[in-house]
Amino acid sequence: GAGVSQSPSNKVTEKGKDVELRCDPISGHTALYWYRQSLGQGLEFLIYFQGNSAPDKSGLPSDRFSAERTGGSVSTLTIQRTQQEDSAVYLCASSLAWDRGRGLNSPLHFGNGTRLTVT
Amino acid sequence: GQQVMQIPQYQHVQEGEDFTTYCNSSTTLSNIQWYKQRPGGHPVFLIQLVKSGEVKKQKRLTFQFGEAKKNSSLHITATQTTDVGTYFCHGSGNTGKLIFGQGTTLQVKP
Repeated sequence: GAGVSQSPSNKVTEKGKDVELRCDPISGHTALYWYRQSLGQGLEFLIYFQGNSAPDKSGLPSDRFSAERTGGSVSTLTIQRTQQEDSAVYLCASSLAWDRGRGLNSPLHFGNGTRLTVT
Repeated sequence: GQQVMQIPQYQHVQEGEDFTTYCNSSTTLSNIQWYKQRPGGHPVFLIQLVKSGEVKKQKRLTFQFGEAKKNSSLHITATQTTDVGTYFCHGSGNTGKLIFGQGTTLQVKP
C-alpha cells in the first residue's frame, strides 16, 4: 500500500489476555519502529528493526512485551498478560535505512496506530 | 543518556499571533526532524534539518537548527486554526538513539 498500515485500529481486551498488534510498513522501507503514546503524552520508543533484526530493544517496558519482523516487512508486537497500564495507542513507523553510527535517519512515516484498551 | 527537551509544553494563542517551540538536546545531533500531530491523528513529518545554522521555511513556518547542532526551533507566523496540534522535534545523534521531544501542544483561539 501507499502508507504504513496497522491493525487492528482498536482493540479492547481483558486484563491478563495476550494481544498481537500488526504493522505493515511502506514497501522498500528497511527500518521499522514501534512507539507507544498514552493519552495526551509524548512518544515512548519501544523497539527498532533494521531488516529482521532488532538492534535496540531497550524501550520495551517489560518481558511481557516482544516483537518480531519477518521477511523484512510485516512486524508484530505482542503483549502477554496485559495490564491496565498497557492501555495506550501503539504507533508503528517505517523509514529508509537508519545509519546509527552516523546518526543519519530518513523521515519516519507513521501508521494510524492501534488503540489498546485493557479492562 | 541523551535527552531532548522541548518547551513550552502547551501554548494558547489568539489567531493571528505568532508561536514558537524550542527543542534542546544534551548532546550534539546529526540531524533534527519536526513532526505535527493533529488531535486524534498520527505524527506527520514536516521537515529535516542537517546543517549547522540551517534555516528552512515552509509558508508561515520557519525552522532553525542551532550553530552547535544542539537546539532547534519552529516558528509559526500569524497562526491559523489549522495550525492546532502537537509539534514534536525528533533528534538523531551518533549515540544510536532516536529521541522525540515531549511535544508542544498549540491551541489557537479564533
